Amino acid sequence: EVKLQQSGDELVRPGASVKISCKASGYTFTSYSMHWVKQRPGQGLEWIGAIIPIIDTTEYNQKFKGKATLTADKSSNTANMELSRLTSEDSAVYYCARPGSFNYGSPFAYWGQGTLVTVSS
Amino acid sequence: DIVMTQSPSSLAVSAGETVTINCKSSQSLFGSVRQKNYLAWYQQKPGQSPKLLIYLASTRESGVPDRFIGSGSGTDFTLTISSVQAEDLANYYCQQYYDTPNTFGAGTKLELK
Repeated sequence: EVKLQQSGDELVRPGASVKISCKASGYTFTSYSMHWVKQRPGQGLEWIGAIIPIIDTTEYNQKFKGKATLTADKSSNTANMELSRLTSEDSAVYYCARPGSFNYGSPFAYWGQGTLVTVSS
Repeated sequence: DIVMTQSPSSLAVSAGETVTINCKSSQSLFGSVRQKNYLAWYQQKPGQSPKLLIYLASTRESGVPDRFIGSGSGTDFTLTISSVQAEDLANYYCQQYYDTPNTFGAGTKLELK
């Protein structure tokens, strides 16, 4: 069974950084890309970017370049996203999501449970 | 970026009704190589992660009830839910994966009348 287990909710100060993790199980981690999606309270979904773990290649939504940094730890089957210089606009639930097929450009059949990041002083 | 426009933004229904949600893309999502439309639909219930319902515009994900029907091609797509059940009350999003960045519609909230 494919599972994506994300790290816990975070309360962070403005200007700080936060790192969210997504531990994958139930499949070969390096065989699929991992994507990240942002959802602000009561709002829709925004694609942040993706990483292809086997070649450590990343692609970012232009909107999130400089804000998000994606990495993958193949030894622990964990994808990570670091968000920097946090503002109130970054307060949101962040999801990791995996496509249903090997194709990079496939819809997301598997999702983590979400990590709530709250930016507040 | 491809803009996805969903309508309506909310819909109040009674159990047993048939509902239609529309999604329009700012450019065609039809891929000439595979002859497919790269459009997906997701369901999201409060406090839960999105769930994939439909991909390639009309293919139901495994385990999705057949009352969920996706249709359309090019730039105009529809999700039809026949005989709505109480468990179907949720937010629904369309997503294009024809090009990056993937983009989503703003969502349609399905509520009980």
